[in-house]
Parts: sequence; structure tokens; C-alpha cells
Amino acid sequence: GAVVSQHPSRVICKSGTSVKIECRSLDFQATTMFWYRQFPKQSLMLMATSNEGSKATYEQGVEKDKFLINHASLTLSTLTVTSAHPEDSSFYICSARDELVVETQYFGPGTRLLVL
Amino acid sequence: QKEVEQNSGPLSVPEGAIASLNCTYSDRVSQSFFWYRQYSGKSPELIMSIYSNGDKEDGRFTAQLNKASQYVSLLIRDSQPSDSATYLCAGMEYGNKLVFGAGTILRVKS
Repeated sequence: GAVVSQHPSRVICKSGTSVKIECRSLDFQATTMFWYRQFPKQSLMLMATSNEGSKATYEQGVEKDKFLINHASLTLSTLTVTSAHPEDSSFYICSARDELVVETQYFGPGTRLLVL
Repeated sequence: QKEVEQNSGPLSVPEGAIASLNCTYSDRVSQSFFWYRQYSGKSPELIMSIYSNGDKEDGRFTAQLNKASQYVSLLIRDSQPSDSATYLCAGMEYGNKLVFGAGTILRVKS
């Protein structure tokens, strides 16, 4: 149990385009999902908390208009990187909180984004 | 003080030995702690969670929590080369946000 999927696993795009990343909890419902970013040889940095049916909560320094988050159902959250630039190239990882296992977050496999 | 601190390592141990990974935390982090393992290029995988003072064992892994000292550790018995990875300590902050340490690189030499 507690499987989280992400799609796509890898994406290469041109500068200025938008990229959408999906995060799904496959066998449990998640009212809360989290989006992280990880640069090489660094730890995970929380970008935003995604809440089903309401607006996401962004961490300080994260542009909400650039990183659009939608959490339309209890099993799906999406992150859209708008007008991507090379500095947005990173490893984006989502996690989902299993409401039945208090406070435990399960991570998706991650999406590696390369902006040319 | 950072909210969650770890020695970056690398920590090198011979195969079959006990690997000891340590983590300290600040008052901003709650009493829920997690150890994740991350292989290069992969996302973190949950190994253990611990909420109460004392030890919690799961197979070759033992998590230890000392709230008075604000210290949490992970012991890996009979270390294997496949245990070589980065180990992330995380604490739960208000709002159920995980705060991660920088991670400790573990290398198990055969």
C-alpha cells in the first residue's frame, strides 16, 4: 500500500514553455499533498502544500504565479511550471499524506525537469 | 540553529558492521520524526517513523529518540553494500510540514 505515482518521470522542454507534472495517490486518499524541489547534492526543499479543494500554501520565496498547483481530487495534485527557464531545471518530487497513518508522507518517484 | 541537523558524512562502514546515523533538532520541530533513504537519482523512501522516547526496531533498523536531548538516531545492523545511500532525517513542523536535514551519505564497503 501507500503508493504515490508521478508523471512524467522525465521531461525536457524549451525555455518559455509550460510543463505540467501530475502526482497521484494510488491506493489511499490524500487531502494534503506536498511539492518539493531538489537540486543536485542538496536536500529536499518544500515548495508548497497542496490542499484538496482549496488554494495551495506556498513557502517563502516560491512564486505562486510561476508554480501553479491544483488539487482537484483526493488522489490527484498537479504542479505546472509556467514559462520555464533553465534555472527551473531540477528534480521535482511530490508526497502525499495518508490520512489513516497519521503524519506519514509517502513520496512519488520524482520528475526530472530539464529546461533548455 | 537549523531545525534539523545532520552530519553530511560520508560515513564509511565495512560490510556486516553497525552503521549509526545521528540527527539533532530544534524546538520548532514537533515530536514526530522520520528516517528516509534516498538512492542517487531517486526519491526518498520511508524507512522508519518514531514518535515516543526510546527505541523502535524494524528488521535491521532501529530508530532511537531522546526528546530531552533533542536527538534522534538510526542504527543499521549487518550493513550491506545495498544500504549505501543518503539517509535523510526529518521532523514534523507545525502544519504537518516535514523539515529535512541535509542528509548523511552512508557507504558500506564490501
